Amino acid sequence: EAQVTQNPRYLITVTGKKLTVTCSQNMNHEYMSWYRQDPGLGLRQIYYSMNVEVTDKGDVPEGYKVSRKEKRNFPLILESPSPNQTSLYFCASSPSSGGPTDTQYFGPGTRLTVL
Amino acid sequence: AQKVTQAQTEISVVEKEDVTLDCVYETRDTTYYLFWYKQPPSGELVFLIRRNSFDEQNEISGRYSWNFQKSTSSFNFTITASQVVDSAVYFCALSELGGYQKVTFGIGTKLQVIP
Repeated sequence: EAQVTQNPRYLITVTGKKLTVTCSQNMNHEYMSWYRQDPGLGLRQIYYSMNVEVTDKGDVPEGYKVSRKEKRNFPLILESPSPNQTSLYFCASSPSSGGPTDTQYFGPGTRLTVL
Repeated sequence: AQKVTQAQTEISVVEKEDVTLDCVYETRDTTYYLFWYKQPPSGELVFLIRRNSFDEQNEISGRYSWNFQKSTSSFNFTITASQVVDSAVYFCALSELGGYQKVTFGIGTKLQVIP
């Protein structure tokens, strides 16, 4: 089944404890992206990747890192999480190498709470 | 810079009423793509439609229809004869072909269909 998976789905952590949220897609998509969803703010793009080893900042990259060593995986790293990173996170992928102009397929979301 | 405005944050309708969700966008690019996504209470994000800037034809899919007007920079979404299952948050999104490969979402419109 074609899908985007994220792990973990729920995570409660404490300030400063490094964490990684994994994202994997099995559709051979080139474009991958991370979003955070907050009440009243909609979805905001954190980072995106056009292809392996090609990543770039979205609108809210502060406090996050990403890497794209393999086409299928695009982990989101929080080196020192803070309470303002408490949010619902979505990973997405789309087949277009020309950018995010194609339909995006979203993962199920990861609800992160930073105490 | 690209921007998407969904001025209606919450709408309530009685079942079988028609409802229109507004989306107004800003872009300097001549080639861009517009999307609508649905987020039901279960939380996943579901693709509804994708439209490029050169295709102003309105589209109908069952009870759903979309009205794209470049003259007013709007891409409105109408649900005819609404049903309880239409209750969800609906997001409009914009992606430009040139420039930064980012996707900008509106803040979403929460639609509640009352039985």
